[in-house]
Amino acid sequence: GNSVTQMEGPVTLSEEAFLTINCTYTATGYPSLFWYVQYPGEGLQLLLKATKADDKGSNKGFEATYRKETTSFHLEKGSVQVSDSAVYFCALKSVTGGFKTIFGAGTRLFVKA
Amino acid sequence: DAGVIQSPRHEVTEMGQEVTLRCKPISGHDYLFWYRQTMMRGLELLIYFNNNVPIDDSGMPEDRFSAKMPNASFSTLKIQPSEPRDSAVYFCASSLGETNTGELFFGEGSRLTVL
Repeated sequence: GNSVTQMEGPVTLSEEAFLTINCTYTATGYPSLFWYVQYPGEGLQLLLKATKADDKGSNKGFEATYRKETTSFHLEKGSVQVSDSAVYFCALKSVTGGFKTIFGAGTRLFVKA
Repeated sequence: DAGVIQSPRHEVTEMGQEVTLRCKPISGHDYLFWYRQTMMRGLELLIYFNNNVPIDDSGMPEDRFSAKMPNASFSTLKIQPSEPRDSAVYFCASSLGETNTGELFFGEGSRLTVL
């Protein structure tokens, strides 16, 4: 079945550091890939997405590239801010999964001033 | 436009009591999902509806859980009787259209504590 694996947290960085959160997936067919972010006390919200191989999703300085050859969708940001502290979820959705969105376990990010 | 609205935001109850969680999806969205979030198991899909019809309830943990969607603007998730292991944050989400590119829109969640 479809699944998503992402790096365990928490990840603790200083402000302006470079961020990478790894995500790999298993799926048949051609899934769409997503990163969602959850701020404390809130629901998840879409951060970025990519719908086909080699697509790059980007938003708010975050980027992720859909790599079919490595089945990966790593999240990166060049310079994190304290306000980026949150939990980040990698997710996939595919027709073979009945259009259900499958989430990874989430990675908590702490950014120190 | 209002987002997905859930109520109550917090619920504390005693074991054995009935719990009802409510959700109003975004107007015009034809898919509605119920997720449960815990530290141990992460985000689990419980059930989802398309045009008010339950499509997949394979994630519902047991018969104590039930969900309904009587119309396009309202859904409930009921637990009867509740148990301490049901303590979690329950999220409702909605989306538009049957594609694999559409995003989910989440409510703020209902935090349930069963004593």
